[in-house]
Amino acid sequence: QSALTQPASVSGSPGQSVTLSCTGTSSDVGRYDFVSWYQQLPGNAPKLMIFDVTKRPSGVSDRFSGSKSGDTASLTISGLQADDEADYYCCSYTPTNTNPLVFGGGTKLTVL
Amino acid sequence: EVQLVESGGGLVQPGGSLRLSCVGSGLTFSNYRIHWVRQVPGKGLVWASGITTDGSITKYADSVKGRFTISRDNAKNTVYLQLKSLSAEDTAVYYCATSGTNSWTPFNSWGQGTLVTVSS
Repeated sequence: QSALTQPASVSGSPGQSVTLSCTGTSSDVGRYDFVSWYQQLPGNAPKLMIFDVTKRPSGVSDRFSGSKSGDTASLTISGLQADDEADYYCCSYTPTNTNPLVFGGGTKLTVL
Repeated sequence: EVQLVESGGGLVQPGGSLRLSCVGSGLTFSNYRIHWVRQVPGKGLVWASGITTDGSITKYADSVKGRFTISRDNAKNTVYLQLKSLSAEDTAVYYCATSGTNSWTPFNSWGQGTLVTVSS
């Protein structure tokens, strides 16, 4: 199973909204609502931000939201802040695959 | 506070073996599935392996199948990853992470990782 496709980089100014995309196929992202998003600050371990496409863990800011359309999942960050600058990874779980958990290549978010 | 601590990384020669450990605290360890996710420095995350709460079911990425073995000892709050036939492509930071009792996703909590370097 190939990695999910994410843009290598996205940028935005403080206060703006940005949307990060994650494209899979009709067999994974398009078929199941098991997409999660992780934030990785420089030098840190990843942190869960969104799961099951739209759900937000307790403690995660409501500026972070998730959605899906067809084979593409999206993470939207509103009211961009300097400390949102990080790498963001999507991950899809496909129960029917022998390789059931696949990450995207990651998007580097730069806050201008 | 949930804490996962990995250990066992280091420098190993190509073809060599290594055993990584992941010790959990601040949680009922036996209630969580545990995964290993690796990351080549400067590159992306790659899921490697996962194990159910009682250790009865294990899953592996195609890239490590037959070479890596995941196991757990709930009495010691520890999950292991045995790495064999290592090559330079296995050089990475190895993170352990939890998922729910009956789910393989998402990865709720993460350790800080242990670096494995495969080099002669």
